[in-house]
Amino acid sequence: AQSVTQLGSHVSVSEGALVLLRCNYSSSVPPYLFWYVQYPNQGLQLLLKYTSAATLVKGINGFEAEFKKSETSFHLTKPSAHMSDAAEYFCALGGSYIPTFGRGTSLIVHP
Amino acid sequence: NAGVTQTPKFQVLKTGQSMTLQCAQDMNHNSMYWYRQDPGMGLRLIYYSASEGTTDKGEVPNGYNVSRLNKREFSLRLESAAPSQTSVYFCASTKTGELTDTQYFGPGTRLTVL
Repeated sequence: AQSVTQLGSHVSVSEGALVLLRCNYSSSVPPYLFWYVQYPNQGLQLLLKYTSAATLVKGINGFEAEFKKSETSFHLTKPSAHMSDAAEYFCALGGSYIPTFGRGTSLIVHP
Repeated sequence: NAGVTQTPKFQVLKTGQSMTLQCAQDMNHNSMYWYRQDPGMGLRLIYYSASEGTTDKGEVPNGYNVSRLNKREFSLRLESAAPSQTSVYFCASTKTGELTDTQYFGPGTRLTVL
């Protein structure tokens, strides 16, 4: 069975600081991994996705994620947080018709 | 190109009332989904439709029914609403449902059952 674990339901950073949101997965087949972002009172939208072409994936708004097979991880990073990055972030594992979502990490950005 | 649209945006029901949540996509996608989102629980799949004419249960189907009306539209019905169904409901679609497919989400329906 597939699973996605996001470590930390809340992450708090200061504006300008490094953002690191953790995601670990379990999959019996080669994984396809996604990060989605949900701004307040909106639906989810794709931030970036890994489909085996390159292990370092760049997304929108300066975010990137690195696929590490040995660690079964797909952590999301951004060098410098901005107030507008405050949102809920979901890691997901692609599945045949049914993806598996993590429970989400709320990013709080302090001025 | 509106993407995925949902109506209504907000709804308040009394216990036992029924209602239908509407969802439509204009991207010619084959697969459509209904999720509910509750604090601390992430997204939970209620029902999905792999293609027009098919529907299947997800993780939490009890108390819900769905209809894939055509390729564009996928509705979710609560026959007898309960307070436990207070949640935010999201509709989503994907082009084919394959492992690499991106899910496109609607803006959500915020439902309160009193």
